[in-house]
Formats: sequence, structure tokens, C-alpha cells
Amino acid sequence: GAVVSQHPSRVICKSGTSVKIECRSLDFQATTMFWYRQFPKQSLMLMATSNEGSKATYEQGVEKDKFLINHASLTLSTLTVTSAHPEDSSFYICSALGLAGIHNEQFFGPGTRLTVL
Amino acid sequence: AQKITQTQPGMFVQEKEAVTLDCTYDTSDPSYGLFWYKQPSSGEMIFLIYQGSYDQQNATEGRYSLNFQKARKSANLVISASQLGDSAMYFCAMREPQDRDNYGQNFVFGPGTRLSVLP
Repeated sequence: GAVVSQHPSRVICKSGTSVKIECRSLDFQATTMFWYRQFPKQSLMLMATSNEGSKATYEQGVEKDKFLINHASLTLSTLTVTSAHPEDSSFYICSALGLAGIHNEQFFGPGTRLTVL
Repeated sequence: AQKITQTQPGMFVQEKEAVTLDCTYDTSDPSYGLFWYKQPSSGEMIFLIYQGSYDQQNATEGRYSLNFQKARKSANLVISASQLGDSAMYFCAMREPQDRDNYGQNFVFGPGTRLSVLP
């Protein structure tokens, strides 16, 4: 199946700093990628939909200025958590929409665990 | 209202036995897709099985099968011959058709069921 990578897999940062997370589709082009957030023992919550060459679509309640999304190429989307605070500590998962599959399956990255001290 | 309901927060099953994880969904659209994912403690989301709303037969993938009851709007996952490695969180998800105002897919996850396989 298709492969999606995320980098870094784990990051610890100080409060007030910005953190960039990369999501790459390794063997296919993804015009659409999704960013999810998952708190411990909870389900995935969609934060935003990232479309190549256009502005991301954010879900209700997600601060656009805090979670900057850039989808500059067909294989790369980045999520930047600006001025991170402890409450931003979470597991962030990206996925890429694969058009080659028979049912437009989402291919998930391995996730990035962010800890803000 | 919740679009995906998984009523079992936690389940236990003896190794080598079968287990059914429940999932009910809510949609008014006739065209939709249903997915099951496994999330082990490492965090990665592993795709298990897919069922399209128009599929005539229940989906099967190895030890996984989907008991699709369209009239009841349920899509239960059946794992046969459970293995210790099956211990994980399991999420049911639904994809509805693309909203005309948005370019993204409408994809919703259920709250998940934690399965523990006992030796």
C-alpha cells in the first residue's frame, strides 16, 4: 500500500516556541492531505484539510493562526504549531488521500507526538 | 449528534476466540464508505477493512470481516482467531460524499474500542 511519512516522530519543545511537522506521501501524489489531533484515550479529531496550491480548510474551533498549514507540493504538507503551549501537547497524525485505491482510502502517517514543556 | 457510535469502550477476548466490535453510523446519504482501523500503542493507524454502501457482499480481509447490516446502519467488525497482537484500539470511520462547498472528504471517526486479547 501507499506510504506516508511524518517527521519528526517525537518532539519536545519549550512553551512559546514554534514546531513544524512534515507529512510526505512517498510513492504517490496527494492533492489532499488531512491533519488530525488525538488526545490520550480519545479518537482522532480532524483539524484541517490541506489542498495543494490553495489555502487549508480548518474545522470549527481550530485556530488558523496557531496551526499553520502549507501544502506546497503534491507530496508534502506541513503543520506548524506556532507559539506552542502545554495544552498543545498531543499526538498529531496526517493522512493523504489516495486516488489510486478503489475507494479513495486515506493513508495515514505514523504520527508525531508533541510535548510542550 | 454522533455520526459514528462504538458502544464498547473496552473489550476482552481469549486468544484464538472470535470477537465482534460494534459500530453504528448515522447518515442520510445513500452513498458512503465505512472503514475500520487498528491503532496499536505505537500510534500508527492501520487500515483493516472497507465496506461501500452499495457493496452487495460483506467485506472480508483475512481474519477480519465486516458484518454490514444496512437497514440497521451497523458495520460490526469480526475478528476471528484472535491473536495477542490484536490488542489495540479499533476505530470505525465513515466517509460521506464530498461536500460541494469543501474540497476535502467528509471523514468521521468513532470514539474507538480498546480490545485486549488474553493469553
